[in-house]
Amino acid sequence: KAGVTQTPRYLIKTRGQQVTLSCSPISGHRSVSWYQQTPGQGLQFLFEYFSETQRNKGNFPGRFSGRQFSNSRSEMNVSTLELGDSALYLCASSLWGGMADTQYFGPGTRLTVL
Amino acid sequence: DAKTTQPPSMDCAEGRAANLPCNHSTISGNEYVYWYRQIHSQGPQYIIHGLKNNETNEMASLIITEDRKSSTLILPHATLRDTAVYYCIPFGNEKLTFGTGTRLTIIP
Repeated sequence: KAGVTQTPRYLIKTRGQQVTLSCSPISGHRSVSWYQQTPGQGLQFLFEYFSETQRNKGNFPGRFSGRQFSNSRSEMNVSTLELGDSALYLCASSLWGGMADTQYFGPGTRLTVL
Repeated sequence: DAKTTQPPSMDCAEGRAANLPCNHSTISGNEYVYWYRQIHSQGPQYIIHGLKNNETNEMASLIITEDRKSSTLILPHATLRDTAVYYCIPFGNEKLTFGTGTRLTIIP
């Protein structure tokens, strides 16, 4: 079974631009979570989607948004990019996102904001 | 969310067993103990999880104390490819909360 895939793997943007990242979960998985990883803050939870609905949200500004499609694929969007948004963005999928449902991570998208 | 304490770094000789401790004294009754590892700049890799009983899979063994306040991840025969940051995470709801983990270095 194929793992979680994320595109693109690397991205360079400038301040003020916006960016869209894509995540394809493991086949049959309906929950998709997004995380941001930076050297200073570590791995932080952004949000989780299940059946096209955002169920859980971390402590990030409204510039960070996401959505999920009927095939469980998910996108996240960051608008008005800031230098501090440079990070590794990770997507994880699980069957239903419930109690102790194991999450499997993709390889991540490395975003650099100049 | 339960807090965890892990040593910041450990070394282990190649071929020996690597034992990584984790203290999670505030874990709640319905939280599992999950272990992930992250090799530099890659996505975290799931290793193993457990609730009360010890668990073993093809990658590792997990020993959980009877009071569930601590656990130990055991890599039975460490190889150079096991060099990574290892995270111990009490997990019960939808989001994983990663701490700073243990940087394990396997020495040839």
